[in-house]
Amino acid sequence: DAKTTQPPSMDCAEGRAANLPCNHSTISGNEYVYWYRQIHSQGPQYIIHGLKNNETNEMASLIITEDRKSSTLILPHATLRDTAVYYCIVRAYNNAGNMLTFGGGTRLMVKP
Amino acid sequence: SQTIHQWPATLVQPVGSPLSLECTVEGTSNPNLYWYRQAAGRGLQLLFYSVGIGQISSEVPQNLSASRPQDRQFILSSKKLLLSDSGFYLCAWSLNGEKLFFGSGTQLSVL
Repeated sequence: DAKTTQPPSMDCAEGRAANLPCNHSTISGNEYVYWYRQIHSQGPQYIIHGLKNNETNEMASLIITEDRKSSTLILPHATLRDTAVYYCIVRAYNNAGNMLTFGGGTRLMVKP
Repeated sequence: SQTIHQWPATLVQPVGSPLSLECTVEGTSNPNLYWYRQAAGRGLQLLFYSVGIGQISSEVPQNLSASRPQDRQFILSSKKLLLSDSGFYLCAWSLNGEKLFFGSGTQLSVL
């Protein structure tokens, strides 16, 4: 699976959009971009994933560049409850041993 | 709907004692099951995964073992705990290689 690079930490004001970047310059054509987040002392929670088109759901939007070498997770109106570590992962669809490898992630602090 | 249960939530064990953590999934059949460990302030490390009953794959050599005696039951064990086994242990499941759903985790402290 391709390696990802994320800033270790970011701050965001409550009510503002949080834009979390991720670089994955070695991504392969069949690899998806996944985002999870982990609130302190809890298990990670799936947020969104995409292949090459931008995606949006009730939690967030995922913007993937045309060359697919980077992506941005957007939380449109961050709240204090969005404070968490956000993990960007790229992996190919593979039923056998479809493990996700979690790196260090970005620690997002939403401030009032 | 599917749910995942993991227990206990916290555990304090002396060095050299055995370990057994249990994870069960409800509301689905033939899930892929995973054990992850997270050291304090670090990312998640995949320990074991299973694609079916009795099928276990290990990602890293270690003092731990895993078993899957039933379709929706995944157990993490150790015969003798080491100090380095301390950490936050997470069980997870998925279907068809898509999203992972995690349990609430077990905080293990080996003293």
